Amino acid sequence: QITLKESGPTLVQPTQTLTLTCTFSGFSLSSPGAGVGWFRQSPGKAPEWLALIYWDDDKRFKSSLKTRLTISKDTSQKQVFLTLTNIQPADAGMYHCAHRRQGFGALFDSWGQGTLLTVSS
Amino acid sequence: DILMTQSPSSLSASLGDKITITCQASQDIATYLGWFRQKPGKAPELLIHDASKLEIGVPRRFGGSGSGTDFTFTITSLQPDDIGTYFCQQYDTVPITFGQGTRLDIK
Repeated sequence: QITLKESGPTLVQPTQTLTLTCTFSGFSLSSPGAGVGWFRQSPGKAPEWLALIYWDDDKRFKSSLKTRLTISKDTSQKQVFLTLTNIQPADAGMYHCAHRRQGFGALFDSWGQGTLLTVSS
Repeated sequence: DILMTQSPSSLSASLGDKITITCQASQDIATYLGWFRQKPGKAPELLIHDASKLEIGVPRRFGGSGSGTDFTFTITSLQPDDIGTYFCQQYDTVPITFGQGTRLDIK
C-alpha cells in the first residue's frame, strides 16, 4: 500500500523560504519509472501542479514558478523535499505530494492528505 | 499549457439519478485523462485513468468515456457517498492541468 505524508511549517512570513517534506512508503524512488510530484490547492479550487522528480533525478517544474522552486529527494529515507523561495500571500493553501504511477505519463494515483500553509507577517 | 474546461461547476441530483460531467481539452490528449473525487479536507482520490479505466475498488456505477479533446464522466445511480468535488486532469503533457471542478451534492 502506497502512502504519503506531507510535513512542514504551517505559518510562514512573506519573503521567507518554505521547505516541505514528503515522507512516503510502499514504493521505492530508486525504482525505474518512479516519481513524486507536488501540488497545491486553494479552497474551492482545483489542484495546481508545481513540480515532479523522477527516480533518475530528472526534474520538472511549473514554468511560472521555476525560478522559485527546488525539488530534491533522499531515496534511502523515502523523502522528497520541496523548497519555495520568496513566499507571498498568494502561495497560501494546501500542499500535497503524490505518487506518479509508473508507465502512465504524469498520472498521480496516490496522494497525501496535505499540509496547510498560511502566509502572514 | 493545455486548458481543461469542465462543466458544470456544480450539480445537485437525487439519489438514484444518473449524472454526467464533461471535460474538454484545448488540444488532443488521446486518452491521457483521469477523474478524481475530493471530499472536504481530504486528498484527491483517483477514480478513473486512461479516460475510461476504473481504479481497483471503484464501484461500477462510475464510468468514463472519450478521447482526443472531449470526455465524459458518469455516475449511473447516485449514492450518498458520491458527494464531493470531481476534477478531470490531463497527464499527456507537463504541466499537468486540471479542470475547474464540479461540486456534486444530493438534493
